[in-house]
Amino acid sequence: GAVVSQHPSRVICKSGTSVKIECRSLDFQATTMFWYRQFPKKSLMLMATSNEGSKATYEQGVEKDKFLINHASLTLSTLTVTSAHPEDSSFYICSARGTRQNSPLHFGNGTRLTVT
Amino acid sequence: AQSVTQPDIHITVSEGASLELRCNYSYGATPYLFWYVQSPGQGLQLLLKYFSGDTLVQGIKGFEAEFKRSQSSFNLRKPSVHWSDAAEYFCAVAHGGSQGNLIFGKGTKLSVKP
Repeated sequence: GAVVSQHPSRVICKSGTSVKIECRSLDFQATTMFWYRQFPKKSLMLMATSNEGSKATYEQGVEKDKFLINHASLTLSTLTVTSAHPEDSSFYICSARGTRQNSPLHFGNGTRLTVT
Repeated sequence: AQSVTQPDIHITVSEGASLELRCNYSYGATPYLFWYVQSPGQGLQLLLKYFSGDTLVQGIKGFEAEFKRSQSSFNLRKPSVHWSDAAEYFCAVAHGGSQGNLIFGKGTKLSVKP
């Protein structure tokens, strides 16, 4: 079945540094990828939608200058948390959708970010 | 606005017992509905989905869900729960008809007693 690889699975960084999270579709081309954030005991909240070759669309309340998204190829999207703060600590999950209409979503295994 | 409500935050059932997880949605048109399962520290795995047709849909791992338009519900069921089913379960509706942009409920944590 289709696989989405998300890396790293865990990362600890210091306040003020930047962290990059990668989301790769391993056996299919993903026109669209989605980035979610999951707070403890909360649901997943969509942060942004990235389409290959164009700028990401951010949900209301998400700082696009803080959460930089790049979708440079049909198999890779990256989320960079810039100038990380402890409140950015969270579980980030990506999902990818294939190029065919109504292609199903496939989720990565998530990245646990801890900012100290 | 579209929304998904999962009324039960935490449910505990005995192994072998039946299970029903509730999900109610608010959506103006015919919804695309999904159930996902998340094991601790992991991503989400699709259990089943409803787009149209038969309102009783079968999924993986012995799960099924029934779409009831009159009740705006899409409850997840399993006749006999296994210890490995312990996880967090999320109901979701596709925003704007696109199955890529999902709105999730807050999840129901399932614990299984031996």
